[in-house]
Amino acid sequence: SSELTQDPAVSVALGQTVRITCQGDSLRSYYASWYQQKPGQAPVLVIYGKNNRPSGIPDRFSGSSSGNTASLTITGAQAEDEADYYCNSRDSSGNLVVFGGGTKLTVL
Amino acid sequence: QVQLVQSGAEVKKPGASVKVSCKASGYTFTSYGISWVRQAPGQGLEWMGWISAYNGNTNYAQKLQGRVTMTTDTSTSTAYMELRSLRSDDTAVYYCARDRGLTGRYDYWGQGTLVTVSS
Repeated sequence: SSELTQDPAVSVALGQTVRITCQGDSLRSYYASWYQQKPGQAPVLVIYGKNNRPSGIPDRFSGSSSGNTASLTITGAQAEDEADYYCNSRDSSGNLVVFGGGTKLTVL
Repeated sequence: QVQLVQSGAEVKKPGASVKVSCKASGYTFTSYGISWVRQAPGQGLEWMGWISAYNGNTNYAQKLQGRVTMTTDTSTSTAYMELRSLRSDDTAVYYCARDRGLTGRYDYWGQGTLVTVSS
């Protein structure tokens, strides 16, 4: 079983705000990274570190962390944001990396 | 521009081995590591391990210890992942990704290599 826990599915109305969460003990020590994956494509990094976006990622994507929970927030969700989202971080030992089980985001 | 180009799809029989390559370009290969991540059909992402292209140090996922070996060839800026004693549940798309230092921050990914294990 994954050491990072995500809700399997979340939905959001077009233009509204949605938060996707990731829980795990390692998040008390390490920041999460967040990935967006669309069908048939490789994952894309959308958030890393405290709240950093790679070049080309829209500013409607943001990240935050509190205690053992990391969150990815999409403010003003667009149809093209419909995808699977994965978090990852180092595990509690610091020597390995773990992924969350993924959250399927549906934009209504 | 940074690119990671992986080798083509493979079909293997149970018990066989597979070696997937990942050729990097557009950056200083030895300044980063390479992580390998796989995704079984319809499933989530699974971290397999990481190798430093600087000194060859590796960290492997516990469930794959003893079956997986990651190497690099700095002369060709290529990383390799070999998985042995293949089973049907190793059927997956295998990705390489650039990672500066076992951070989990993968800013560039290969296109993926489908490995099918079937008798």
